[in-house]
Amino acid sequence: DAGVTQSPTHLIKTRGQQVTLRCSPISGHKSVSWYQQVLGQGPQFIFQYYEKEERGRGNFPDRFSARQFPNYSSELNVNALLLGDSALYLCASSYDRGGDTQYFGPGTRLTVL
Amino acid sequence: AQSVTQPDIHITVSEGASLELRCNYSYGATPYLFWYVQSPGQGLQLLLKYFSGDTLVQGIKGFEAEFKRSQSSFNLRKPSVHWSDAAEYFCAVGATAGGTSYGKLTFGQGTILTVHP
Repeated sequence: DAGVTQSPTHLIKTRGQQVTLRCSPISGHKSVSWYQQVLGQGPQFIFQYYEKEERGRGNFPDRFSARQFPNYSSELNVNALLLGDSALYLCASSYDRGGDTQYFGPGTRLTVL
Repeated sequence: AQSVTQPDIHITVSEGASLELRCNYSYGATPYLFWYVQSPGQGLQLLLKYFSGDTLVQGIKGFEAEFKRSQSSFNLRKPSVHWSDAAEYFCAVGATAGGTSYGKLTFGQGTILTVHP
């Protein structure tokens, strides 16, 4: 079975630009969560979407937004990029909203110059 | 709010030696607990998880972890380390009740494991 997939693998942007990252969950999983992992730190929770609705939001500015589509895939958008947004962005899927194991994709490495 | 502390940033062991990685959590009730492993530039792979029941849980690659409620700990162990175990290890806690934190994982800072031949 295919695991969680993310695209693109790597991305280079300049300050002020906008970026869209994509995630496809494991087949049958209804929940997608996004995490930001800055070099040398553990992942930080950004959003959770379950059944196409936002169910949780971490401590991130409004420049970060996301959505989930009817096929449960998801996009993470970041506007007005800052140098500090450079990180590995991880997507995780699970069957249920909570109390369930989250399976992670390989991540998208975003570099902001 | 839930939190996780991994006291050891970097651990070095010899191949064949035993390993214990420490994890302490803060949460108001019995949490869901996870250990993930990450190779450089890669995503996170689940090693094992604790939801309820037996406090000693077995995972993949010969790893095990023990949930100790009295110590708020969930330490990861392996009796004999292989060179391929070199990676970064993350402990995570998930909320068990409803509310805005339900479904959110909170991770520790990670422990980098180096294995000497």
